[in-house]
Amino acid sequence: KNEVEQSPQNLTAQEGEFITINCSYSVGISALHWLQQHPGGGIVSLFMLSSGKKKHGRLIATINIQEKHSSLHITASHPRDSAVYICAVSDRETSGSRLTFGEGTQLTVNP
Amino acid sequence: DTEVTQTPKHLVMGMTNKKSLKCEQHMGHRAMYWYKQKAKKPPELMFVYSYEKLSINESVPSRFSPECPNSSLLNLHLHALQPEDSALYLCASSQLGLGNQPQHFGDGTRLSIL
Repeated sequence: KNEVEQSPQNLTAQEGEFITINCSYSVGISALHWLQQHPGGGIVSLFMLSSGKKKHGRLIATINIQEKHSSLHITASHPRDSAVYICAVSDRETSGSRLTFGEGTQLTVNP
Repeated sequence: DTEVTQTPKHLVMGMTNKKSLKCEQHMGHRAMYWYKQKAKKPPELMFVYSYEKLSINESVPSRFSPECPNSSLLNLHLHALQPEDSALYLCASSQLGLGNQPQHFGDGTRLSIL
């Protein structure tokens, strides 16, 4: 079992829909990161969370430390949101700079 | 535009060639990272430099040789690579290399080994 599990693996939505991507992890963490990767490669850090909730524009990230679960929500989705979304955690017990990644969620938003 | 700049964007090389990948950041970050990413897979950590010293080597083959000449620059020297080394190579940086700090990624170098 992977230390970081994401669901779903693939997600197709219509423009305007509300989207949720889930991430569960099995280790104690110092932080959880949500990353976005567009075709062509570059990765953008969207959020870093250690508790509670963060919002940036149409993106919202939440984390429940007790349940070891985080969600990334996209409101009013748009085709430009099409990308791979990756959840990663910094393990509290091991070297802080090492991230453990989930397998990613491929999101496609159709116009 | 990303704050971490990687060059070149694309590289094609033969198995006997020697080439280098370059990464540069001017955010004053003291931790820099090399990742390898195969298609449809998450990045795999290769090396971490903290304060210009190698702090993590994830058992990477010696045909990959990292170098951190100063706090802004990170190189990855390549020699005698194999076809399975074809991948996207990503550089990242963070302020102090702590787990509760975001990592800033470059756009990557797409490497093809003939």
